[in-house]
Amino acid sequence: AQKITQTQPGMFVQEKEAVTLDCTYDTSDPSYGLFWYKQPSSGEMIFLIYQGSYDQQNATEGRYSLNFQKARKSANLVISASQLGDSAMYFCAMREGLKAGGYQKVTFGTGTKLQVIP
Amino acid sequence: ETGVTQSPTHLIKTRGQQVTLRCSSQSGHNTVSWYQQALGQGPQFIFQYYREEENGRGNFPPRFSGLQFPNYSSELNVNALELDDSALYLCASSLGGQGFIRTYGYTFGSGTRLTVV
Repeated sequence: AQKITQTQPGMFVQEKEAVTLDCTYDTSDPSYGLFWYKQPSSGEMIFLIYQGSYDQQNATEGRYSLNFQKARKSANLVISASQLGDSAMYFCAMREGLKAGGYQKVTFGTGTKLQVIP
Repeated sequence: ETGVTQSPTHLIKTRGQQVTLRCSSQSGHNTVSWYQQALGQGPQFIFQYYREEENGRGNFPPRFSGLQFPNYSSELNVNALELDDSALYLCASSLGGQGFIRTYGYTFGSGTRLTVV
């Protein structure tokens, strides 16, 4: 079974509009963390936002917010007031509980390509 | 504070050859993870090094190997290159243990794009 599922291969959004990128996850670990990364064409993965499984409130970072619905195992990224520079690949990722010896594997989804239209 | 740097940025190799990719971790980070990202896919975990020892490995064959040095920089070595090894190889550094959570996980480099012909 896929650990991280991103069902939207591509999305279009008008500049200045909000957009939601979907992410569902699968884990039996009670302690986990969810990340969103942005990957422009240059290749670097840029951290956007983090949500811990025990966090009571949804994470927000500037124009980014994470709509965390624990019972549904979803962690959708909301980008408000889209800008042309937001055009990129977006990856949802999950870290499951810290393993013995400090092993910290992070599992990524297949990504959503967002294109912002002027 | 310097970020993660990877070298080279691009590389072309012939099938059957060997390649070494290099990564300098972010200052203060003691853990390095390597990921392979095929075109149009998400990154796939290769392995992780913590304090100079491999402490986790994904579903990759033994011809993928690595090293971590006392300054926490790292190398990824791939022997007997195959065409399917063509990909972007990403290095990510982090703090071990609870530090991984506090610092929100990885800092990534820009990657090395390997083409095998």
